[in-house]
Amino acid sequence: DQQVKQNSPSLSVQEGRISILNCDYTNSMFDYFLWYKKYPAEGPTFLISISSIKDKNEDGRFTVFLNKSAKHLSLHIVPSQPGDSAVYFCAASGVNSGTYKYIFGTGTRLKVLA
Amino acid sequence: DVKVTQSSRYLVKRTGEKVFLECVQDMDHENMFWYRQDPGLGLRLIYFSYDVKMKEKGDIPEGYSVSREKKERFSLILESASTNQTSMYLCASSLSRSGGKLFFGSGTQLSVL
Repeated sequence: DQQVKQNSPSLSVQEGRISILNCDYTNSMFDYFLWYKKYPAEGPTFLISISSIKDKNEDGRFTVFLNKSAKHLSLHIVPSQPGDSAVYFCAASGVNSGTYKYIFGTGTRLKVLA
Repeated sequence: DVKVTQSSRYLVKRTGEKVFLECVQDMDHENMFWYRQDPGLGLRLIYFSYDVKMKEKGDIPEGYSVSREKKERFSLILESASTNQTSMYLCASSLSRSGGKLFFGSGTQLSVL
């Protein structure tokens, strides 16, 4: 049972336009959400996070939106740059089966076209 | 900046070998995690530890064990490597037990032949 879902395996966007990556979750106990970026043969690097008490967090070109009623979060990148091409993972954290865990989605491969 | 160091970037092992993957973090973090990443499956949690000598099973612990004898070091052990354990293995650490960033190492790409 997948508790964190990224339904789009890939996304292509023109340079300079907005990239929107989506993530859905099922467990209402999740209280902290994170986005990571991963290049091939490297570890994921942290991008941005949001607590469940907020609905928006912004850091430069990256904004994360959280809709708790819909159990949905999204990452907006604007403007998109070729260097943003990578796999993006969303993660949800909270108490899961009695312990605190981080659950990741399956990732979305973003390609920014020059 | 937090540094999470994984001892090998690439490893090639034979079926049936015992494999040790080592991970060290330098920020006195309480919590350490082992994930594996496979195409289309994302990052799946194998084992984690919230304290020295403490370990908890993640979602896919079968075929693996772990050791945490010192706070900074968390080892993943493949008791008898199999081809379906060919994967990218990622170690991570976090300061807080309830929220906060996970810091990842560079990963170990393990191939089992």
